Amino acid sequence: GENVEQHPSTLSVQEGDSAVIKCTYSDSASNYFPWYKQELGKRPQLIIDIRSNVGEKKDQRIAVTLNKTAKHFSLHITETQPEDSAVYFCAASINGNNRLAFGKGNQVVVIP
Amino acid sequence: DVKVTQSSRYLVKRTGEKVFLECVQDMDHENMFWYRQDPGLGLRLIYFSYDVKMKEKGDIPEGYSVSREKKERFSLILESASTNQTSMYLCASSPGGRRNTEAFFGQGTRLTVV
Repeated sequence: GENVEQHPSTLSVQEGDSAVIKCTYSDSASNYFPWYKQELGKRPQLIIDIRSNVGEKKDQRIAVTLNKTAKHFSLHITETQPEDSAVYFCAASINGNNRLAFGKGNQVVVIP
Repeated sequence: DVKVTQSSRYLVKRTGEKVFLECVQDMDHENMFWYRQDPGLGLRLIYFSYDVKMKEKGDIPEGYSVSREKKERFSLILESASTNQTSMYLCASSPGGRRNTEAFFGQGTRLTVV
């Protein structure tokens, strides 16, 4: 089955710097890759997603890149702000159904 | 605006009790999921359902069962609660069809089994 791994597990950045979280996946048939943000005590919410027919997608300060050959995708947050502090989960679709395999999450801490 | 609502934010149950966690979504989604969230382990799928009265095992189904009698409601059942089932439980839903799309999560139920 699909195996999704995230690195690093914890990331601290100075406010205003960029943060990058990387995920790898194992199933070459995966075609949908969402990123979820979970603030403390709240539900995970989708912040950006990418499909396998594109290599990059951007939404304001957030971007996701996908390398299908290497089977990895990354979340890029520029000009980080304290409200970016959260746990971020990557996920990859499991071929043949509507399931997602999630990574274990990254704790991002933005230091003011 | 999609709403996925879980019946309780916090629950405390005794070992051996039968526990019901309820989840309701209001967007006519075909797919519904139950996840368990533990520190360092991320989100692990317990059970999911593609349609009414349909269910499939996820990655960690042992000790759990589910019920989907109506499209909008998906229940997670702990037949005999144990302390190792103390966790945060998250319900999610997503539209059906062949194209994978966003899953919407409920606010979570933090279950403590004593």
